[in-house]
Amino acid sequence: EVQLEESGGGLVQPGRSLRLSCAASGFSFEDFAMHWVRQAPGKGLEYVSGISWNGGDTDYADPAQGRFTISRDNAKSSLYIEINDLRLEDTALYYCVKDTGPTVGTYYGYFDFWGRGTLVTVSS
Amino acid sequence: SSELTQPPSLSVSPGQTARITCSGDAMPKSYVYWYQQKPGQAPVLVMYKDVKRPSGIPERFSGSTSGRTVTLTISGVQAEDEADYYCQSAVFTGSYRVVFGGGTKLTVL
Repeated sequence: EVQLEESGGGLVQPGRSLRLSCAASGFSFEDFAMHWVRQAPGKGLEYVSGISWNGGDTDYADPAQGRFTISRDNAKSSLYIEINDLRLEDTALYYCVKDTGPTVGTYYGYFDFWGRGTLVTVSS
Repeated sequence: SSELTQPPSLSVSPGQTARITCSGDAMPKSYVYWYQQKPGQAPVLVMYKDVKRPSGIPERFSGSTSGRTVTLTISGVQAEDEADYYCQSAVFTGSYRVVFGGGTKLTVL
């Protein structure tokens, strides 16, 4: 059974940094691209970032460019994202998401499993 | 604003047919995928590559395409289908970038 368990969220002051983690199990983590998708309270889904199976390619949505860094450790079956200079608008539930293929930036990429999310609240 | 356009809401009675549309310039060049999200839960894939239904998804869910509009159809809607539905595709801006529609809240009356 595929399991994705996010952690690292919490209440953070604006301007601080945060690192979210996702522990994956139940599949060959090293064979698949992975992504982060966020959802602000009461709002829709927003793509954040993705990373290819070996970490060689990354993809960032425009709002994430420059402040977000995605990474993975295949030996630990773990996905990460570091968010710097946190802003009020970064407040959201951050989902760890599994791709159906190994690469990012394709016209056919989509997601077959989602974690339950970790909540990041940015507030002073 | 989203590059994929969905109606914000749709209400249907049990047993009726719900049609949720998703339109945008990404289609028909890129596939569209649909996710169902119930309150307090993570999204679940209910349709992929426009018209394919994942295993475990009821047959009452189907997909269709017409030009730049893709439609998720739920035939014989049941109370358990009440949820938010999001379409997802990829737009080309040098490389393909994942985009989501704004979501449609389906209410079963």
